[in-house]
Amino acid sequence: AQTVTQSQPEMSVQEAETVTLSCTYDTSESNYYLFWYKQPPSRQMILVIRQEAYKQQNATENRFSVNFQKAAKSFSLKISDSQLGDTAMYFCAPLLYNQGGKLIFGQGTELSVKP
Amino acid sequence: EPEVTQTPSHQVTQMGQEVILRCVPISNHLYFYWYRQILGQKVEFLVSFYNNEISEKSEIFDDQFSVERPDGSNFTLKIRSTKLEDSAMYFCASRADSLNYGYTFGSGTRLTVV
Repeated sequence: AQTVTQSQPEMSVQEAETVTLSCTYDTSESNYYLFWYKQPPSRQMILVIRQEAYKQQNATENRFSVNFQKAAKSFSLKISDSQLGDTAMYFCAPLLYNQGGKLIFGQGTELSVKP
Repeated sequence: EPEVTQTPSHQVTQMGQEVILRCVPISNHLYFYWYRQILGQKVEFLVSFYNNEISEKSEIFDDQFSVERPDGSNFTLKIRSTKLEDSAMYFCASRADSLNYGYTFGSGTRLTVV
């Protein structure tokens, strides 16, 4: 069974500071995609950033970046210059070919950005 | 930017009643999904749909659940006889042929069974 582990149920950070959310996963595949989704209080699911497993370069999207360690099956999300609007639940989600392209979600990390 | 549209945003129903949750995926997407999120818990896969048939379903997706794409644009999830434990947020999602861009999710339907 494929598993995704987000070991930090809750985190908080001061506005303008940097925070890192961790994620590990288990797969026997060599090629796949990894995503971070954000779920604000509205409960909409919003794509934050994606990473292709065959690319060694870590993805960056404005204030959001990832640290992808393929051998360790680790995919952490770094948020720089945190803003109040970053307050949300964050889900790590691998997308695997041999799972029919099915997204598998971690348990989520609830991030609070404090003024 | 194209969107996945879900209706209604909130549905309250009596236990034992049938409900139909509706979704309009992005028009050129080929793969469709339903996920469920019980309040405060993780997002769970229910079913995937491709080429007018179910490609995979989870253990949650028992005989009480069904999906269909009745008219080439809508994608519906039907729960035949709702239970209290079906209360959850239900998300529809669609994706293109390439896995590269992941899924686009709808804004969800909050189902409350009383």
